[in-house]
Amino acid sequence: QVQLKESGPGLVQASETLSLTCTVSGFSLTSYHVSWVRQPPGKGLEWMGRIRSGGSTDYNSALKSRLSISRDTSKSQVLLKMNSLQTEDTAIYYCTADTYYWGQGVMVTVSS
Amino acid sequence: DIVMTQAPLSVSVTPGESASISCRSSKSLLHSNGITYVYWYLQKPGKSPQLLIYRMSNLASGVPDRFSGSGSETDFTLKISRVEAEDVGIYYCGQLLENPLTFGAGTKLELK
Repeated sequence: QVQLKESGPGLVQASETLSLTCTVSGFSLTSYHVSWVRQPPGKGLEWMGRIRSGGSTDYNSALKSRLSISRDTSKSQVLLKMNSLQTEDTAIYYCTADTYYWGQGVMVTVSS
Repeated sequence: DIVMTQAPLSVSVTPGESASISCRSSKSLLHSNGITYVYWYLQKPGKSPQLLIYRMSNLASGVPDRFSGSGSETDFTLKISRVEAEDVGIYYCGQLLENPLTFGAGTKLELK
């Protein structure tokens, strides 16, 4: 059974760095591309970036200067780090395997 | 970036009736391999998005066959036959042809 679960702090101060973890089970990180998608409250979906099954990364150019995605295959984890947070980064953050499977999401609030 | 435009933004349907949602892309989503990389998702209230249709017309696992997808290179339709109460939520189209992956703004389906 494929599962993804996001974890991380629910509250972050503005200008600080956000670190989120996506822990997967039921599949190998070398089999699927894993993306991060976020959704501000009451708004639509924004693709942030992904780490491909082969280990290379792609980023949304709007976030590229602040964003880093990596993985630890031994722990079945995909890691997101985004710096210089602003209140506009308040959102639910999802990880997804090729958009076929989605985590439950984690709400992140950026406080000024 | 490829822009995905959905219509309508909201639709109200009588249970048992059918509903159609349109999505238009700003660029052809037909790859040279013959696959059209448009996807449809449903986000039920308070839940993560779930995949309904992949590669324009393929039903995702566990999705009722009341759902179907069709289209051309830039114009796509999601049809829901015999709408049920469990179909309520926001429907998104998305393109996975090229980076950044992009989504439509969403169509909210309600019951009359």
